[in-house]
Amino acid sequence: NAGVTQTPKFQVLKTGQSMTLQCAQDMNHNSMYWYRQDPGMGLRLIYYSASEGTTDKGEVPNGYNVSRLNKREFSLRLESAAPSQTSVYFCASSTASSGNTIYFGEGSWLTVV
Amino acid sequence: EDQVTQSPEALRLQEGESSSLNCSYTVSGLRGLFWYRQDPGKGPEFLFTLYSAGEEKEKERLKATLTKKESFLHITAPKPEDSATYLCAVQETNDYKLSFGAGTTVTVRA
Repeated sequence: NAGVTQTPKFQVLKTGQSMTLQCAQDMNHNSMYWYRQDPGMGLRLIYYSASEGTTDKGEVPNGYNVSRLNKREFSLRLESAAPSQTSVYFCASSTASSGNTIYFGEGSWLTVV
Repeated sequence: EDQVTQSPEALRLQEGESSSLNCSYTVSGLRGLFWYRQDPGKGPEFLFTLYSAGEEKEKERLKATLTKKESFLHITAPKPEDSATYLCAVQETNDYKLSFGAGTTVTVRA
């Protein structure tokens, strides 16, 4: 009963490096999301995918790209990491049949130095 | 644009000391208001969804209520294991994305 699985859990990057955060859900949900969480600012939406084959920008998309690889997987890519992207990243998923409740993964801690 | 404000930012309680957390929101149309619990180093865990003013939901020592402008999360006779950050989020009509408040961190001392 994994739910939403994210990898890696911890990562340290140097400024300018690139990396991809992976996310997979096993709940057959249609919609998937990437949020970031910073102290005092709550969770902010980066990108979301309403269904397989579609992606849209959220509140803070600059510096990120996403890929909805299939119904289960939704990856987040940082092309050229910046210290401002130091944060905790959460992947999440939802579907209408579950009342559109969003279920979260355990988080990925990213530090850019 | 949705706005969600939670107060207080932090709450320290003695075990058994009941209290309430506030979530005020501004949306053009509310589809649902969600409460989550988040433990340190973990992802948010779903607690409740409220859909219309006057609705109430309960789970163990937690009770959530909703009006047209705000929601309250009441913690009755809290225990140390209720210590966590409680997040409020709104979902607008014809949308499925959530807009979150900054959260209230609750610490319950034995």
